Order: sequence, then structure tokens, then C-alpha cells
Amino acid sequence: EAGVAQSPRYKIIEKRQSVAFWCNPISGHATLYWYQQILGQGPKLLIQFQNNGVVDDSQLPKDRFSAERLKGVDSTLKIQPAKLEDSAVYLCASSLDSGGNQPQHFGDGTRLSIL
Amino acid sequence: DAKTTQPNSMESNEEEPVHLPCNHSTISGTDYIHWYRQLPSQGPEYVIHGLTSNVNNRMASLAIAEDRKSSTLILHRATLRDAAVYYCIDYALNFGKGTSLLVTP
Repeated sequence: EAGVAQSPRYKIIEKRQSVAFWCNPISGHATLYWYQQILGQGPKLLIQFQNNGVVDDSQLPKDRFSAERLKGVDSTLKIQPAKLEDSAVYLCASSLDSGGNQPQHFGDGTRLSIL
Repeated sequence: DAKTTQPNSMESNEEEPVHLPCNHSTISGTDYIHWYRQLPSQGPEYVIHGLTSNVNNRMASLAIAEDRKSSTLILHRATLRDAAVYYCIDYALNFGKGTSLLVTP
């Protein structure tokens, strides 16, 4: 089966600019996750969707980050305006459902550099 | 914050067994324990998960303590391709810093 697809693979922007990332999960996976991974740290959950509804966005900096999954399939994560501290890899993952018995499948991420 | 603790790094010889420990003392009775590993420039890869019983799959074995406050990921014969950062997660949503495994020939 095809894995989780993410684009772009790399992005370089200046601070205060905006940026968007795209994720296409594995077909049939109802749950989609966005993570932020800063260099040297483990991934940090930003938002979790179940179909097109938000399950958990408690760690999403809502003043600058937004995410949507309008049709319950692919998703976009946006940062506006970007700060230097947002330099990280943004990972998307999907699972069959949100139950703890389902493993997550990750894409290879988008590496964001803020100048 | 992550609710699991793991050693920062471990080292193993090739073709030797590796036991990677994880403490998850705050785990609830219904939370599964998941293990992932991550190679440089790649997303995390699922390894194994379990609830109460020990689990085996083609990649590894998972030994879960009877009180469920700790678990051990077992790689039966380490290969150079097993060199990665290994994460254990108690509710599969937040990762700590993981254990960086070095495998030497």
C-alpha cells in the first residue's frame, strides 16, 4: 500500500512569512496527526483529526498555526506568521482509527527552515 | 510532557540481542504501549505495541512488566540497520527523546 505522502520535502522562508504543508494519509485511515519535531527532540503532537473533526489540538499554537482536513482525507497545516522557533520537521501520520490499539504510519516530513 | 523515560543511548554489537528499557509509571490501565524507531531524515517507523501480554512480531519482541509500569523492547539479533532512535510511548501521541541505539560490527 502507498504510504503517507507529504509535500514539500523542504521549505525555507523568512520570519513573518507564511507557509503551508500538505499531507495525504494512507487510504482508509480515519485518523490523521500532525507533529512538530525540533532537532534533537522527539515528535510533539500538534493536532489530531478523526475524519474531518478535531480530536485534540491542545498543543497547537493557535495564534499562528492552523490545520484543516475538510473532506476527511488529505490535510494542510499552515503557519502564519512564522517565527524562528518554528524551524523544525513537520511530520504527518495516519492510523485506521484513534484507538490506542492502532499503530501510526508516518510520512518523511517537511523540513522547515526559518531565516 | 512525555510520560515515559528511556536511557539516552545504548550500544550493542552486531548479531547480539538488545534490550531497550522504558519506564511508564503513569500509564493507565487501558493505554497501549507503542514502540517506534526513527532513522535520520525519515519519519518514525512503527515497531510493535501491546497492552498486557508479551508480544512478538517479525521485527522485535515486547516484554511488558506485570504492573505495566515498564516494558522492554527486544531485538533478538541486532544488525547495522537497527541503528536508530527508539521511542516508547504510553498513549501513542507524545514522544520523549528516545534511546539512540548504536550497533557496532
